[in-house]
Amino acid sequence: AQTVTQSQPEMSVQEAETVTLSCTYDTSESDYYLFWYKQPPSRQMILVIRQEAYKQQNATENRFSVNFQKAAKSFSLKISDSQLGDAAMYFCAYRSEYNNDMRFGAGTRLTVKP
Amino acid sequence: EAGVAQSPRYKIIEKRQSVAFWCNPISGHATLYWYQQILGQGPKLLIQFQNNGVVDDSQLPKDRFSAERLKGVDSTLKIQPAKLEDSAVYLCASSLNSGRGYEQYFGPGTRLTVT
Repeated sequence: AQTVTQSQPEMSVQEAETVTLSCTYDTSESDYYLFWYKQPPSRQMILVIRQEAYKQQNATENRFSVNFQKAAKSFSLKISDSQLGDAAMYFCAYRSEYNNDMRFGAGTRLTVKP
Repeated sequence: EAGVAQSPRYKIIEKRQSVAFWCNPISGHATLYWYQQILGQGPKLLIQFQNNGVVDDSQLPKDRFSAERLKGVDSTLKIQPAKLEDSAVYLCASSLNSGRGYEQYFGPGTRLTVT
């Protein structure tokens, strides 16, 4: 079974600076999707960014970008120019191409300091 | 576009009681998911519906949990009888369809406390 590991339970960053959240996963499949979700204190999860495994180019969404290393099974999230509104729990998730089971990591709590 | 709606937002019950949660997905979304999120962990899929049929319920504790989506729209998740370890946030999500690439949209969740 696929597993997702987020080794940083908590991270903090100064406002306007850059922070990188780590994620590794274990799979024997070649086709899959990876996601980063943000869960603010209100608990509504929202999608931040996603990456298809067959794409070599790293996904980017405004201030959010990923470093996808398929061979190393690593999928880190970089947040540039951090804002106070970025403070939240961030979950890395894996979904197989072959079934719909979404596997989440345990999450990283990001604090943004003014 | 209205998001995924869930009710109630909070529920406190005693062990061995029963409880039900309701979810209304985004209009037109064929796929509906129920997740359990225990404090300090990521969400875990309990059950997935495609229209009104079950696609995956392999992680649903069927001796006490049940779920239905009779008309292929809204859904209910029931726990009977509840145990202390069922204390968690129950998240509902929906997507336009199942399969590759479709984004899942999450509701605000129902926080269940079992005492």
